[in-house]
Amino acid sequence: DTEVTQTPKHLVMGMTNKKSLKCEQHMGHRAMYWYKQKAKKPPELMFVYSYEKLSINESVPSRFSPECPNSSLLNLHLHALQPEDSALYLCASSQGVSPLHFGNGTRLTVT
Amino acid sequence: GNSVTQMEGPVTLSEEAFLTINCTYTATGYPSLFWYVQYPGEGLQLLLKATKADDKGSNKGFEATYRKETTSFHLEKGSVQVSDSAVYFCGGTSYGKLTFGQGTILTVHP
Repeated sequence: DTEVTQTPKHLVMGMTNKKSLKCEQHMGHRAMYWYKQKAKKPPELMFVYSYEKLSINESVPSRFSPECPNSSLLNLHLHALQPEDSALYLCASSQGVSPLHFGNGTRLTVT
Repeated sequence: GNSVTQMEGPVTLSEEAFLTINCTYTATGYPSLFWYVQYPGEGLQLLLKATKADDKGSNKGFEATYRKETTSFHLEKGSVQVSDSAVYFCGGTSYGKLTFGQGTILTVHP
């Protein structure tokens, strides 16, 4: 069982929809991450939150909007996505120099 | 910047065969090194790690040794099982940023 929980597991959305991906961890980790992963490729870093503040944005388009409501939750708000945004979106958390703990991801399909 | 170079796959083996997946890194400072495994339909799981030179990480029969002189962290297993079929990612963390290799697809046949 993963200690980082992501919902939903699958999401299909049209290009005009607004949806949100959710991530939750109760390990007390103070850093949380969003990654995008295309099939058979390594994860690509999108955003990093440290102590609930956005610390890294890897030049991600504004149609992706992250939010960290508290130290346990991380959201990714989606709006006006493109078909090429279809991918597996992974959330991760860490504390200090510990390795990242990943969730099982949300499989997103944009139609 | 940091980079991780990983042996390209796919790798196909018979059950009980010996496995090696090569990984080399370039980084400023002294990175921590990791191997992650991704089973079909799942996220990445930490397989093993090493934080300094000559450290050996091990888990589930897999091993990797942090070799500073060759900047390598090769993954080995003496006898693979069908259940080891997955994608394996080498990674290194330096100054707080995790860099992944390209991943190696391993398929083990009975």
